[in-house]
Amino acid sequence: DTAVSQTPKYLVTQMGNDKSIKCEQNLGHDTMYWYKQDSKKFLKIMFSYNNKELIINETVPNRFSPKSPDKAHLNLHINSLELGDSAVYFCASSSRTFVGANVLTFGAGSRLTVL
Amino acid sequence: DAKTTQPPSMDCAEGRAANLPCNHSTISGNEYVYWYRQIHSQGPQYIIHGLKNNETNEMASLIITEDRKSSTLILPHATLRDTAVYYCIVSPGDQTGANNLFFGTGTRLTVIP
Repeated sequence: DTAVSQTPKYLVTQMGNDKSIKCEQNLGHDTMYWYKQDSKKFLKIMFSYNNKELIINETVPNRFSPKSPDKAHLNLHINSLELGDSAVYFCASSSRTFVGANVLTFGAGSRLTVL
Repeated sequence: DAKTTQPPSMDCAEGRAANLPCNHSTISGNEYVYWYRQIHSQGPQYIIHGLKNNETNEMASLIITEDRKSSTLILPHATLRDTAVYYCIVSPGDQTGANNLFFGTGTRLTVIP
């Protein structure tokens, strides 16, 4: 079974649309993240949730809204998509009980293309 | 902001040891050294981490200098599948998950047949 799964893997859409990317982890981890990797391959954190509570919210436009219905899921909803939102979005999770807790397990990524 | 410095690229012959250096001269006492890698078109993969002592697992070894200002990731017998971008990251081992792992530009390792 895939530890951190994201859907969809590929998403092509028009500017102005609203889209969601879903993430689920079956590792029993209590912290989940969204990272964005742009065309220059820089990987930057967007959000972090611990037990459904938002704990990191980097400078991300309000059009991006994470939702964590339970600690195994962290979905990313994007309103009014713009060309600059085109990127690969990675979901990740980690366990706070692990010493040196920044051991993240990443999903395979969701490639968003905005036309 | 990046707290680490890595060479942009390295080559290694297949079957030989790959030694990837990382400088982190401003590392704080509570910060761990983490290594991740990203194989093309895949998500980043955790490799190893350490605080002061050298560490070894099934994937690699991590050698941290006594002053902790630099470290080396060693892949003992590189294979073609080890071709990837390797990221050295320093971050507190905070158990709240509230720490931002900063992925810099990393080292692109190419394993040559």
